[in-house]
This record gives sequence, structure tokens and C-alpha cells, in this order.
Amino acid sequence: KQEVTQIPAALSVPEGENLVLNCSFTDSAIYNLQWFRQDPGKGLTSLLLIQSSQREQTSGRLNASLDKSSGRSTLYIAASQPGDSATYLCAVHSGGYNKLIFGAGTRLAVHP
Amino acid sequence: KAGVTQTPRYLIKTRGQQVTLSCSPISGHRSVSWYQQTPGQGLQFLFEYFSETQRNKGNFPGRFSGRQFSNSRSEMNVSTLELGDSALYLCASSLQVQETQYFGPGTRLLVL
Repeated sequence: KQEVTQIPAALSVPEGENLVLNCSFTDSAIYNLQWFRQDPGKGLTSLLLIQSSQREQTSGRLNASLDKSSGRSTLYIAASQPGDSATYLCAVHSGGYNKLIFGAGTRLAVHP
Repeated sequence: KAGVTQTPRYLIKTRGQQVTLSCSPISGHRSVSWYQQTPGQGLQFLFEYFSETQRNKGNFPGRFSGRQFSNSRSEMNVSTLELGDSALYLCASSLQVQETQYFGPGTRLLVL
């Protein structure tokens, strides 16, 4: 049974710091991994999708890497801003059509 | 292109009642998935529909059901509501399997 873990559960950093969010999964047989952002009380915003054959994806200040063999993914946020404050969720697609298995998320606070 | 829309955005019901939630996917998307989000359990997969067929179902009781129409719009129904059904219900759509899933803003259900 696929399980997804995110560390740390919460993170508070000053503006301008580079930071890394971690995601691990127990079954390496995945199709892809997706990173989302969720603002309080809102839906999920897709940030990056990494297919199982890829090692990393980049979008602006965000870079996500995937090491399928070790069951790990990292989301790197460069030069953090207060607007980056949100909960970041990773989800793996490991079969069952479009079923995503989510981690519990990392709650990020970036203070000025 | 309009995003995923969900109606209603908020609902208050009492125990024993039933409720129907609606989701309109992004135009052209034929896959629609439903998720339940609670503080205790996080995001959990409910079911997924593609071309009016349920392809996958999560580990939820039979009180939770859904359907998809020929225009890809989807509804989910919860009968005999329980207090524990209070949650944010999220709908996601994608063009194909294993592609990016786009989420709607959610319907927040409160059961009293």
C-alpha cells in the first residue's frame, strides 16, 4: 500500500531564504508525482508534475526533483517571499487510473 | 480557459439528510476525480469517472456515490449524513490519465 510522508510538517523562515520541502513514498512503482499548493480554505493549485521517467522539473523559482529508486522528491523554493506562505502537498500517482495518494503537507510561513 | 468549478461552495446540513455536490471540469477534460479533505485524515480519494464510467473507488462507505454526465460534469451524493462527513470536498479534472490534475475550489460541507 502506497504511503506518502512529508517532512517537515511546518516551517517558518524569513523572507529571501532558499528552502527545501521533502516528500517520500513507500512504493517506487509510480507513474508521476505532483506538487500542489493550498491556501487556507481554498482548493489546490498545481505547481509541478514530474513523470516517473524524469529527474526534475522547474517553474520560475520552483524546482522539483524525483529519485524514484529511493522513493524521494524534493521541492526547492528559491528566494522565498511572504506570498509563498501556504501548505505544500505532494501526491503520487501509482496506479488506479487517476487516483492520487497525498502526503499530509508542509505548512510554510515566510515572514518579512 | 475556465478552471474547474464546484457548486455550491458552502453547505450546512443536519445528520440524516442527504446532499448532492456538483463539479464542472475544464472544457475538454473527461476525467473527474473526487477527494475528501479533513484535518484528521488529510486528502483521501473518493472516486474517479471517465466518460460516464466509474473507474476507481476509494475506501468509503456506500453512502458516498457519484455519477458523470455526457458533458463530463459530475455529481457526488452523500446519503444519511453523519457528523464525520463534515469536510472540504474537492473535485479535480484532467485531460488524460497520468496528466496534471486541476482542482476546483471545493465545497465545504458542515454537518450538524
